[in-house]
Amino acid sequence: QKEVEQDPGPLSVPEGAIVSLNCTYSNSAFQYFMWYRQYSRKGPELLMYTYSSGNKEDGRFTAQVDKSSKYISLFIRDSQPSDSATYLCAMIRGFGNEKLTFGTGTRLTIIP
Amino acid sequence: DTEVTQTPKHLVMGMTNKKSLKCEQHMGHRAMYWYKQKAKKPPELMFVYSYEKLSINESVPSRFSPECPNSSLLNLHLHALQPEDSALYLCASSQEAGGSYGYTFGSGTRLTVV
Repeated sequence: QKEVEQDPGPLSVPEGAIVSLNCTYSNSAFQYFMWYRQYSRKGPELLMYTYSSGNKEDGRFTAQVDKSSKYISLFIRDSQPSDSATYLCAMIRGFGNEKLTFGTGTRLTIIP
Repeated sequence: DTEVTQTPKHLVMGMTNKKSLKCEQHMGHRAMYWYKQKAKKPPELMFVYSYEKLSINESVPSRFSPECPNSSLLNLHLHALQPEDSALYLCASSQEAGGSYGYTFGSGTRLTVV
């Protein structure tokens, strides 16, 4: 079993829809959770970073963490064609452990 | 400056060549990383430098040799690579070792070995 599971998609939704992206993890030692957006042939871009369980909002993006269920989500409201990219969840144990563990990534296409 | 800059953006090299990838950040981050990413796969960790010292080597073949000349620079020296080493090589940095505040990635060097 992989430490982090993420549905690879592809996921296609119409413009303006709410997008829900999800990851589950098996290692309860993970403390810090991130979402990265990666456009084709570019490096990953940090979108959201969270530590505690609950919701964190930044513009059209909301990150949700449920440590008891080992489940994290990223919601995108009012989706735009420019949101079309691969979204990677990532997590780290922290406390000096430097290894970031990624999900496999979900390829998202927003249809105009 | 909130960027990680990687050069070159593209590199084609033969299996007998020696080349170097360069990475630079001026955010005062004390940890820097090299990742390798194959198509449609997540990035895979290669090396971690923390306070300019190599702290993690993920069993990477010796044909890849990292170097951290100072806290702002990270190099990856390449020698006698194989075609299967063709990939996007990503440099990243974080505020502190452990990356608890998130990693900043560069745009990568797309390497093709012929």
